[in-house]
Amino acid sequence: EDQVTQSPEALRLQEGESSSLNCSYTVSGLRGLFWYRQDPGKGPEFLFTLYSAGEEKEKERLKATLTKKESFLHITAPKPEDSATYLCAVGTSGTYKYIFGTGTRLKVLA
Amino acid sequence: DAGVIQSPRHEVTEMGQEVTLRCKPISGHNSLFWYRQTMMRGLELLIYFNNNVPIDDSGMPEDRFSAKMPNASFSTLKIQPSEPRDSAVYFCASRVEPAGQGHGYTFGSGTRLTVV
Repeated sequence: EDQVTQSPEALRLQEGESSSLNCSYTVSGLRGLFWYRQDPGKGPEFLFTLYSAGEEKEKERLKATLTKKESFLHITAPKPEDSATYLCAVGTSGTYKYIFGTGTRLKVLA
Repeated sequence: DAGVIQSPRHEVTEMGQEVTLRCKPISGHNSLFWYRQTMMRGLELLIYFNNNVPIDDSGMPEDRFSAKMPNASFSTLKIQPSEPRDSAVYFCASRVEPAGQGHGYTFGSGTRLTVV
């Protein structure tokens, strides 16, 4: 069964304290791994797509990487405005569907 | 671009009442998705439309749920009769299919439904 697991469920960081969020997946054929950011009361906002192992994408303080079994979202020197829930999703071959993880709630303290 | 527009933002209704949620996708997007988000189960796909045609409604929990897309710029999700366990945030998302390289969904802001 296709599955996506995110860890940790919640993470508290001090401003400037770098860390990583994990998204592990088990799918029959990866058609893309997607990272989204979700702020309270809003819909998820698309951040990155990764397609193959070894691929990396960067945006400001965020960097996403992909292996054959998992993806990491690295946050370098985070700021309070980076506080949000980060969701990952995978698309599988032969289907349009995405399977979402349950997210990591990140809180960055000033 | 105004993005994906959902209405209402909040809905409180009594058990047994009919609820209709509305969505306007981004102009030019030919695929539309309805998702439900809860703390316990996260984001769950309810139904997927492509070119206004329902392609997969296997995620619709029961016959009480129905969805329509009469044209490319409007979709509704209806729950009749509503039950307290339907309380959740309902999201609509759209994108262009076939998806280009790196293209994810664009989500609306959601409708928070509370059934009492």
